[in-house]
Amino acid sequence: AQSVTQPDIHITVSEGASLELRCNYSYGATPYLFWYVQSPGQGLQLLLKYFSGDTLVQGIKGFEAEFKRSQSSFNLRKPSVHWSDAAEYFCAVFTGGGNKLTFGTGTQLKVEL
Amino acid sequence: GAVVSQHPSWVICKSGTSVKIECRSLDFQATTMFWYRQFPKQSLMLMATSNEGSKATYEQGVEKDKFLINHASLTLSTLTVTSAHPEDSSFYICSASRTMQETQYFGPGTRLLVL
Repeated sequence: AQSVTQPDIHITVSEGASLELRCNYSYGATPYLFWYVQSPGQGLQLLLKYFSGDTLVQGIKGFEAEFKRSQSSFNLRKPSVHWSDAAEYFCAVFTGGGNKLTFGTGTQLKVEL
Repeated sequence: GAVVSQHPSWVICKSGTSVKIECRSLDFQATTMFWYRQFPKQSLMLMATSNEGSKATYEQGVEKDKFLINHASLTLSTLTVTSAHPEDSSFYICSASRTMQETQYFGPGTRLLVL
């Protein structure tokens, strides 16, 4: 069965600093990969997704992620974090043969001013 | 595009009553809708998948008679928590996709508190 691991439960960065959130997946075939962001008490907003093609994916709000098959990773990056980026970030994998999104446990991002 | 709404955004009810939560895709037709439950500071757990016009498929451990799901149209799915108890208190989030294998777009969630 597919699984998603987000090793970092909490991350704190200073505003203006770069950010990288880690995501590792376990799945036999090429997965469909997603990053979602959730603000407190809100639903999830799609940041970006990878289905195929260019392994560096650009998303909204200045985020990007890189799919690395050899490392089974799909890390999320942002060159300069803004205070408004403080939120919970979820990585998810969707298996083309199924119909379910499997989520990681999430990474809580705190931004220090 | 791809906006999903939920109503109500929060609800408080007495133990033993039933609560209905609506999930609507506002600007697209959703063949498939999903219902998730999220406990505080935890990830989303899929409860069930519903396809328009078909019975919902429930995840293992989710009581079908407790959580009734109806997907009567391509833009509306409802989750009814029957005979709610305090342990049903949670954050319920729906998502919708145009087809079963496409990107899911999430609603803002409904917070349920059962007293």
